[in-house]
Amino acid sequence: DTGVSQDPRHKITKRGQNVTFRCDPISEHNRLYWYRQTLGQGPEFLTYFQNEAQLEKSRLLSDRFSAERPKGSFSTLEIQRTEQGDSAMYLCASSSSLAGGHLSTDTQYFGPGTRLTVL
Amino acid sequence: AQTVTQSQPEMSVQEAETVTLSCTYDTSESNYYLFWYKQPPSRQMILVIRQEAYKQQNATENRFSVNFQKAAKSFSLKISDSQLGDTAMYFCAFIYTGNQFYFGTGTSLTVIP
Repeated sequence: DTGVSQDPRHKITKRGQNVTFRCDPISEHNRLYWYRQTLGQGPEFLTYFQNEAQLEKSRLLSDRFSAERPKGSFSTLEIQRTEQGDSAMYLCASSSSLAGGHLSTDTQYFGPGTRLTVL
Repeated sequence: AQTVTQSQPEMSVQEAETVTLSCTYDTSESNYYLFWYKQPPSRQMILVIRQEAYKQQNATENRFSVNFQKAAKSFSLKISDSQLGDTAMYFCAFIYTGNQFYFGTGTSLTVIP
């Protein structure tokens, strides 16, 4: 399967613990995005990478959140000192850009998501 | 601030019939892009159709078409000849040069056999 994969699919943690999620994009895709989706809402943009560079971060991405894409391939999203309000589905997507192309020209391919429950 | 509003939380349509999902947005930007995404139950989200704001012609992809009214800031999705596989959540989304995507709250569409 060459689609976007995310690991784990489900994570249950206690408040105050740290969690880390992984996203493996489609191999030839240079752009990678993270979103958060809560019940009854649409996805909320968190951040995006072009290769290994983090080019945009939403105000939603508080200091407790950090994302990396060290080699321009897979990405990790870490949440420190989790809170109950962090419970959500965390979605990853990837796309392949033309050189200098605007994000709108890309078709984003989404992964299945990681469902986080903070007790 | 950019906002996307989908005022129909749930809709249903008989198989083979046509249904229209509404979306309105608010922005002061002049150059932006609009999308409809589909999220089937327990499956990944996929792009249905996109529209560039500078294009007057409405986008069409097979059974899916949009009615883009820039002055009214309206971007509705029409699904013709509805099929059972069209049952899903549909999200309207917006991006401008700020490189952030904004999604609506979604419309749950059920196609009835």
